[in-house]
Amino acid sequence: TQLLEQSPQFLSIQEGENLTVYCNSSSVFSSLQWYRQEPGEGPVLLVTVVTGGEVKKLKRLTFQFGDARKDSSLHITAAQPGDTGLYLCAGGRSNYQLIWGAGTKLIIKP
Amino acid sequence: DTEVTQTPKHLVMGMTNKKSLKCEQHMGHRAMYWYKQKAKKPPELMFVYSYEKLSINESVPSRFSPECPNSSLLNLHLHALQPEDSALYLCASSRLGTKGAGELFFGEGSRLTVL
Repeated sequence: TQLLEQSPQFLSIQEGENLTVYCNSSSVFSSLQWYRQEPGEGPVLLVTVVTGGEVKKLKRLTFQFGDARKDSSLHITAAQPGDTGLYLCAGGRSNYQLIWGAGTKLIIKP
Repeated sequence: DTEVTQTPKHLVMGMTNKKSLKCEQHMGHRAMYWYKQKAKKPPELMFVYSYEKLSINESVPSRFSPECPNSSLLNLHLHALQPEDSALYLCASSRLGTKGAGELFFGEGSRLTVL
């Protein structure tokens, strides 16, 4: 069974601090997606990384795909209360199936 | 604004009721999905439709019956559910092929409570 271990599961920090969320696996993925979900809503796709070593930036969010395409990280700089939510990583296994991490619940306190 | 629309947003039903969840997308995506999500957990895949044909059923109990009337619509028919089926049911769609395949666009979900 392919697993995608996501850490930390919960993070509560002050506005302005930096943070990193990790997703690790022993398996290779064709792609790695990051989603953010707010309470009562569906997940929203933030980014997809497909090439080993790839780095993508979305404003204050930086996403990295490991060289071996087995792990990924999400780094947020100067976190803001609007960044609060559940962050989910998902590894692409085929056209249809994703392996999901357990999620990181992030709370940014003003 | 989400481009995948789900109705109803909330549903309460008894164990003997029959109800349906509906999903619509107009992005031209040819893959549509039903996911189930429990509190504080990631989404769990239930069904995948590809070109309006059921391509994946993740061993879902028969009390859940999916239907894809056309490329824009996806239904989930519910009958004789159990209280443990209470969850957020998410519909999603995606492109097929190589570019952007598997990137999911989710609806806001239907919050189901089974009494």
